[in-house]
Amino acid sequence: AQSVTQPDIHITVSEGASLELRCNYSYGATPYLFWYVQSPGQGLQLLLKYFSGDTLVQGIKGFEAEFKRSQSSFNLRKPSVHWSDAAEYFCAVGLNRDDKIIFGKGTRLHILP
Amino acid sequence: DAGITQSPRHKVTETGTPVTLRCHQTENHRYMYWYRQDPGHGLRLIHYSYGVKDTDKGEVSDGYSVSRSKTEDFLLTLESATSSQTSVYFCAISPGQGKDAGNTIYFGEGSWLTVV
Repeated sequence: AQSVTQPDIHITVSEGASLELRCNYSYGATPYLFWYVQSPGQGLQLLLKYFSGDTLVQGIKGFEAEFKRSQSSFNLRKPSVHWSDAAEYFCAVGLNRDDKIIFGKGTRLHILP
Repeated sequence: DAGITQSPRHKVTETGTPVTLRCHQTENHRYMYWYRQDPGHGLRLIHYSYGVKDTDKGEVSDGYSVSRSKTEDFLLTLESATSSQTSVYFCAISPGQGKDAGNTIYFGEGSWLTVV
């Protein structure tokens, strides 16, 4: 069965530092891949998605993610974080365009001033 | 923002009572989903719908039922609420197939349910 693993439950970085959040998936074929962000008390907002083509995907708020087939990974990156980036981040995978989407357990990002 | 409305947004109910959460969309999207979110578990799919009267179970469907009699409405029912169903419930929608849509899903604001 497909699965999504976010190995880091919490990550703390200083404001202005670079960020990388890890996501690994388990599936035989290339899935559809997503990153969502959730601020406290809010719903989830789509940051970016990968369906095919260029393996480096640009998203909103200055985030990007790179799909690496050989590592079954889809890590999220940002060159310089802002205090407003403090939130919980979820990686998600879908098998095909009609199937349900499965989420990882999330990584909570803390920003030090 | 996707046109998704969840109601009620907050509810406290007693163990053993029935509860219905409603999700209403104005996007005419084919797919609708109910997730629950709990600390340490992330989001888990309860049920989803791929069309009017077409539904299927997710990974945590026990104790829940759903109905979709119209494209715009997807109801989640807890027939007899238990304390383990205290959670935040999110409705989501997706357009399904499409050149730029894929199965990207968009979330509502959530419904906080407490079962005492």
